[in-house]
This record gives sequence, C-alpha cells and structure tokens, in this order.
Amino acid sequence: RKEVEQDPGPFNVPEGATVAFNCTYSNSASQSFFWYRQDCRKEPKLLMSVYSSGNEDGRFTAQLNRASQYISLLIRDSKLSDSATYLCVVNIGNAGNMLTFGGGTRLMVKP
Amino acid sequence: DVKVTQSSRYLVKRTGEKVFLECVQDMDHENMFWYRQDPGLGLRLIYFSYDVKMKEKGDIPEGYSVSREKKERFSLILESASTNQTSMYLCASSTSIESTDTDTQYFGPGTRLTVL
Repeated sequence: RKEVEQDPGPFNVPEGATVAFNCTYSNSASQSFFWYRQDCRKEPKLLMSVYSSGNEDGRFTAQLNRASQYISLLIRDSKLSDSATYLCVVNIGNAGNMLTFGGGTRLMVKP
Repeated sequence: DVKVTQSSRYLVKRTGEKVFLECVQDMDHENMFWYRQDPGLGLRLIYFSYDVKMKEKGDIPEGYSVSREKKERFSLILESASTNQTSMYLCASSTSIESTDTDTQYFGPGTRLTVL
C-alpha cells in the first residue's frame, strides 16, 4: 500500500465549477500535511499547508481528518489557470523533514 | 525569495557514462533533497542531506551517490548511467529552523536526463 494515495484523475471540469480532491495517508504518526501544485513541465510549489482546524486561502479550502487519515482540497469557482497537478504531501517527522508525496491528481479546467 | 538552481535543464548521456547533477540553494537551508519523478510513479526520494557532509538514503538510492561538501550545494552522481535512469530529477531544500517555513520544500526547475 502506498504511503500517500491520490486519485490520479484527470478531473475535467468547466470554468466556475467546484471540485474536490481527497488523499489518504497510511502513517498515523504523520505530523504535518500540505498541498503542492505542479504545472506541466515545472517544479512543484507549495499551495497551502493543511491544519487540523481546516484552513482557507481565497478559493481554496483544505481539511484534515486525522481519525480517518485523509486530507482534502476544495477549489471553488475554478479558473483555467487552476489546471495543474495537485500533490498531497505528508511529513512523518523524520530527521531532515522528509516529505512523502502522493502521485498527484490532475485537474483540467475547460472554458 | 528562495532560489534553487540546477546545473542543466536538459541532459543527454550515454549508457555507462558518469553523470553529475548539481544543485545550489541560496537560502542557507540545512536540508537538501534529490528526487526523481516518473509518470505514474510520482516523486521518489533518492537521497537527502540534513547537514554538510551528511547524507541519508531515500527510497531508491541504488545506482546513485551524493556529495555535500558545502551547505549550499548538493550533487547527485550517477556512477554508470543506465537507460532506466532516464527521468526528471528534482532538487529541493528546506530549513530545519523552527518557523512558519519549516517543512516547506523549495524545488529547483528540474533536470530532464535522457540516457541512450
């Protein structure tokens, strides 16, 4: 079983739609959680951290459910520029702050 | 702004060649990482370093070695390149100092290596 699992997609949605991605992680000792965004042929970049209480950044909302070991990302009012691969990322607290990356969920927003 | 640079964007090598991939970061970060990214397999950690001259194996270290002689520079070495090492190689860095930035990894633009 992979440590961090995501539906690879692609999710094809029209502009303005709301779309949600889920991610599950296997290590209950995981300490911190993130969503990274990766554009085609570019490097991953931090989109947002995920806090236990949930957090929102504009059109993006991230939620963490420790009991069920899943993380979600909700994107409201999708824009064409949101088209990218979204990586779910977990830190289990090893030395050097190693991160474990999910395989990514591809989002394509269509006009 | 954190900047992580990699020596080449594209590289073509022949089987059996020794290959050096260089990564430099300018934010005085303690931790540096080398990943490879392949379709369907996601990002996989090859090696990481949390201090000068320190190195730790990641998930797929076979066929690779690393060097960290200076804090800002982390090199990935393919001793004898093989075709199954054709991939996108990404370097990243992060700080260990407790702050809102702890845990965030900053990536370089990647090196697309093709081994013929």
